[in-house]
Amino acid sequence: EAQVTQNPRYLITVTGKKLTVTCSQNMNHEYMSWYRQDPGLGLRQIYYSMNVEVTDKGDVPEGYKVSRKEKRNFPLILESPSPNQTSLYFCASSSIRRNTEAFFGQGTRLTVV
Amino acid sequence: GDSVTQMEGPVTLSEEAFLTINCTYTATGYPSLFWYVQYPGEGLQLLLKATKADDKGSNKGFEATYRKETTSFHLEKGSVQVSDSAVYFCALVHGNTPLVFGKGTRLSVIA
Repeated sequence: EAQVTQNPRYLITVTGKKLTVTCSQNMNHEYMSWYRQDPGLGLRQIYYSMNVEVTDKGDVPEGYKVSRKEKRNFPLILESPSPNQTSLYFCASSSIRRNTEAFFGQGTRLTVV
Repeated sequence: GDSVTQMEGPVTLSEEAFLTINCTYTATGYPSLFWYVQYPGEGLQLLLKATKADDKGSNKGFEATYRKETTSFHLEKGSVQVSDSAVYFCALVHGNTPLVFGKGTRLSVIA
């Protein structure tokens, strides 16, 4: 089954404690991205990657890091989380063929206290 | 740059009512247009899409027509059900550029 898998689904952590949210896709997609979803602000892109070892900043990259060492995985790293990073996070993947839709993970609800 | 504007929510309807959620876009050239749906507690999933002018996307009773002259892609359903309660996102993609989303419209359908 084609899918994007994120882990964990829920996470509560304290300010400053490094964390990683994993994302994996099984569709051999070149393109992967991370979004955060906040009430009233919709979906905002954090980082994206067009292929292995190629990453670019999205609209709200501050406080986040990503890596793309393998095609299937695209982890999101918060080196020093702060309360304003409390949000719902989604990973997505798609083919780079023109005009194709994206597939989304189930989401990770992060709370930073 | 490219952008998507969709109507503000929330939208509350009674079961069997007619639904319209407006979506307009700004983009150069010919983007592909999408509607995604997010059910409570879940990720986004593709509802329907259209890749060229005058195309009509349809799925689960929902429809949207790609109107280049009005740069619109309004979502419609003739008779909503309680199970349609969700957040709906209009989006576009343009070649290899990242998806651009509208802010989402929350729909609540009451019995």
